[in-house]
Amino acid sequence: DQQVKQNSPSLSVQEGRISILNCDYTNSMFDYFLWYKKYPAEGPTFLISISSIKDKNEDGRFTVFLNKSAKHLSLHIVPSQPGDSAVYFCAASVFGSRLTFGEGTQLTVNP
Amino acid sequence: NAGVMQNPRHLVRRRGQEARLRCSPMKGHSHVYWYRQLPEEGLKFMVYLQKENIIDESGMPKERFSAEFPKEGPSILRIQQVVRGDSAAYFCASSPSGRENSPLHFGNGTRLTVT
Repeated sequence: DQQVKQNSPSLSVQEGRISILNCDYTNSMFDYFLWYKKYPAEGPTFLISISSIKDKNEDGRFTVFLNKSAKHLSLHIVPSQPGDSAVYFCAASVFGSRLTFGEGTQLTVNP
Repeated sequence: NAGVMQNPRHLVRRRGQEARLRCSPMKGHSHVYWYRQLPEEGLKFMVYLQKENIIDESGMPKERFSAEFPKEGPSILRIQQVVRGDSAAYFCASSPSGRENSPLHFGNGTRLTVT
C-alpha cells in the first residue's frame, strides 16, 4: 500500500527556470509533510516542511504547497540551479510518528 | 548529513553470514529510525527505537532482522543469515524527540552487498 506517491520518476529543466515536483498521498491522517534531497552515495538531506494547518511554506528558492482536499503537495524551486540536480523525496507523517516516503523524482537541471 | 554517523559505509557479506550495521545519532538525539532503500525504490521504514526500547518495529522482516539501541553505545541493526535480497542501502536517522513534528536527520548509509 503506497501511501505516498511521486508519479514522475524524472524531471529535466533548464537552469534559471522553475522546477515543480509533485507528490500525492492517500492517508488523510498525515499532518506533517517534508521534502528531502538526496545526492548519490549520501543520505537524504532535509529541505523544507509544511504542517497540515498551512497551505504554503517558503524558504529562499524553495516553496512547498499543500492542497489537503486533493491530497497533493508540490515543491517549487525557482530559479533552478545545476547544483539542485538530485533525487527529491517527499515524505509524510502522522504527528510524531515515522516518515513514509515516496519513490523519489530525479531532477536534472541543465546549464 | 553531519552528525549522524553510520559505519561501515560499505559492507560485503556472503550468503549465510551475519551483517551488523552501526548508527550513532546526533548529539542530544535519543530517537533512532532505520530505513532501507532497495535499488530503484524509495526509503522504507524498518524500526524506531529509543534508548533501550523498541517503539515501532512494524517495518522489520519477521525473521533474521533485529535492532537495538542500548543505554551506552550506538544503535545496531543486525541481519542474520543474509540473502541476496538483503542487498540495499540502510539509512539511520535521528531526532531529539518522537513526540513532535521535526525533521529527521539522516546518516550517509551503509551499503550492504550480499554475494
